[in-house]
Amino acid sequence: QKEVEQDPGPLSVPEGAIVSLNCTYSNSAFQYFMWYRQYSRKGPELLMYTYSSGNKEDGRFTAQVDKSSKYISLFIRDSQPSDSATYLCAMSWPYNTDKLIFGTGTRLQVFP
Amino acid sequence: NAGVTQTPKFRILKIGQSMTLQCAQDMNHNYMYWYRQDPGMGLKLIYYSVGAGITDKGEVPNGYNVSRSTTEDFPLRLELAAPSQTSVYFCASRRTGAEETQYFGPGTRLLVL
Repeated sequence: QKEVEQDPGPLSVPEGAIVSLNCTYSNSAFQYFMWYRQYSRKGPELLMYTYSSGNKEDGRFTAQVDKSSKYISLFIRDSQPSDSATYLCAMSWPYNTDKLIFGTGTRLQVFP
Repeated sequence: NAGVTQTPKFRILKIGQSMTLQCAQDMNHNYMYWYRQDPGMGLKLIYYSVGAGITDKGEVPNGYNVSRSTTEDFPLRLELAAPSQTSVYFCASRRTGAEETQYFGPGTRLLVL
């Protein structure tokens, strides 16, 4: 079983739709949860960061962590064509934060 | 402030050749990382460094070597290139205390034929 599982997509939605991107994980020690966005032929960039459980909102983006289910989500409201990218979840755990464990990424396409 | 820079952007190697992928950052970050990204496989950590003179293996270190003589530079050496090393290579850095934020370079596309 992989430490972090992520549906590869592609996910294709119309402009204005609500998008839900998800990751599951197996290591209950994970405490730091991140979402990175990667545009085509570019390096990933940090989009959202959550420590432990709960929700975090930033504009049209909401990150959710459910540690009891070992499940994290990224919601995008009013999706735009500029949101078309690959979204990678990433995680790490206390006392071993030298490294991040990345999911395989979900490719999202928002069409006008 | 250039952030993380990588050279070259693209390279074709023949089997058995060697090369060095260059990575530099101007943010005075202690931590630096090398990843490879294959289609549908996500980012795999090759090597990382927590400071000048200190390096450690990641998940997929075989066939690669690194050195970290300065804070700014973290080159990745490929010896005896193999087709399995065809990939996109990303270098990243972060500052101490910011576990969540790695800054990535633009990547180097490598094709081994």
